[in-house]
Amino acid sequence: DTGVSQDPRHKITKRGQNVTFRCDPISEHNRLYWYRQTLGQGPEFLTYFQNEAQLEKSRLLSDRFSAERPKGSFSTLEIQRTEQGDSAMYLCASSLVGYQETQYFGPGTRLLVL
Amino acid sequence: AQTVTQSQPEMSVQEAETVTLSCTYDTSESDYYLFWYKQPPSRQMILVIRQEAYKQQNATENRFSVNFQKAAKSFSLKISDSQLGDAAMYFCAYRDYTGNQFYFGTGTSLTVIP
Repeated sequence: DTGVSQDPRHKITKRGQNVTFRCDPISEHNRLYWYRQTLGQGPEFLTYFQNEAQLEKSRLLSDRFSAERPKGSFSTLEIQRTEQGDSAMYLCASSLVGYQETQYFGPGTRLLVL
Repeated sequence: AQTVTQSQPEMSVQEAETVTLSCTYDTSESDYYLFWYKQPPSRQMILVIRQEAYKQQNATENRFSVNFQKAAKSFSLKISDSQLGDAAMYFCAYRDYTGNQFYFGTGTSLTVIP
C-alpha cells in the first residue's frame, strides 16, 4: 500500500492557461475527494466520487473546474482559464465507504497562477 | 449548515507537558463523526484520532485523547507528554453520517518548545 499519490506536486502557470492534476487513491478505496486549501485555512471540500460517480459538488466549484474518475480508480481535476485566485494547494483524499470511514490524504498539488 | 470552529490560531507547549486544543462545531444531526488531523510543515495531512458521535466514551490513541461533549458540541484534543514531533497544524473536522459532507476548521498551529 503506497498511500494516496498526487501529480504534479507543484505547478506554475500563467493566467488563462488550463491545468490538470491527477490523484491516485489507495487501491481498494472506492471514495475519492478533492479539496482546496489556501494559506492559513483548513481544506475546503470541492467534490467527491464514489467509484466513477460524482456524487457531490461544492458551490465553490465554478464552471471552470471539472473532475473525472473514469474507471473508478484515479481521478483528474482540471481547471480551465486559470485565475490568480485559483492559486492554492489542491488535496486529494480517499476512503473506503463504511460506517467508520476515514479519509487518507495525499501530499497535495501546489498551484501558483501568475 | 455545519461549521467547525477552532478559536485558537496558535498554541505552544513545553516539551513533555500537556496541551489541549479546542474545537466546536454546529450541526443539527445526531449521528456524525469528528476527527483531528495533523499537518506538519510541508507534509501531508494524517489522521490523529476519530470519534463517533453515538459513542459516549472518549476516543484515545496513545498520547492523544479527546473530550467529546455532544450536548455542548465541543470536541477538544489533549496531547500528553508533548514531543518535538508533535509540532504541526492541527485541524478539527466534521463528517456527516452519509459521508457526503466533510468540513474542516481553520486550524491551530502548535509549537513545541524544547
